[in-house]
Amino acid sequence: DAKTTQPNSMESNEEEPVHLPCNHSTISGTDYIHWYRQLPSQGPEYVIHGLTSNVNNRMASLAIAEDRKSSTLILHRATLRDAAVYYCILTNMLTFGGGTRLMVKP
Amino acid sequence: ETGVTQSPTHLIKTRGQQVTLRCSSQSGHNTVSWYQQALGQGPQFIFQYYREEENGRGNFPPRFSGLQFPNYSSELNVNALELDDSALYLCASSFSAVMNTEAFFGQGTRLTVV
Repeated sequence: DAKTTQPNSMESNEEEPVHLPCNHSTISGTDYIHWYRQLPSQGPEYVIHGLTSNVNNRMASLAIAEDRKSSTLILHRATLRDAAVYYCILTNMLTFGGGTRLMVKP
Repeated sequence: ETGVTQSPTHLIKTRGQQVTLRCSSQSGHNTVSWYQQALGQGPQFIFQYYREEENGRGNFPPRFSGLQFPNYSSELNVNALELDDSALYLCASSFSAVMNTEAFFGQGTRLTVV
């Protein structure tokens, strides 16, 4: 299965944009890129997903590299409620990996 | 509120016992996936059910088994419990087994094996 690689943790200041990177160099042509986040003591929550083109929704934006070997989740203005573990996973969701723990400072 | 409910929320079992965890999928969803999440780690895929049939399985032994019912709710059964089975068990429901749709997760069942 194709794997993803993310930094273990990142820090951001409240109200500032956050760019969370993900590498997926072995992605196949049909793999979708999904992002989920998990707040403490909760199940993962869907954030966004895409195939080739950049995607926007009310929560975030997803920027996908032209070769699709990496992507970036963009939170336009981080809030304290965005502090969570963010997972980048590929289509069949077999492998979540460790995710990136995002800390937001007031 | 995702609409995916899991029961029970917490459970303590003794090594060697059997356990059944339950998941009610979101209305209109026909696919349920189960995950095991050890403390401090990401969820690990156990298996998926699509329209009452197993539709994929992760690297878990046969003592992990499941069922999906006609109303698309699901059960995860674990036999001969081991201490390492202690984890948060998550289920996720989705509209389709084709994984380009979003999945909705329940809050999980925290299983402790002593």
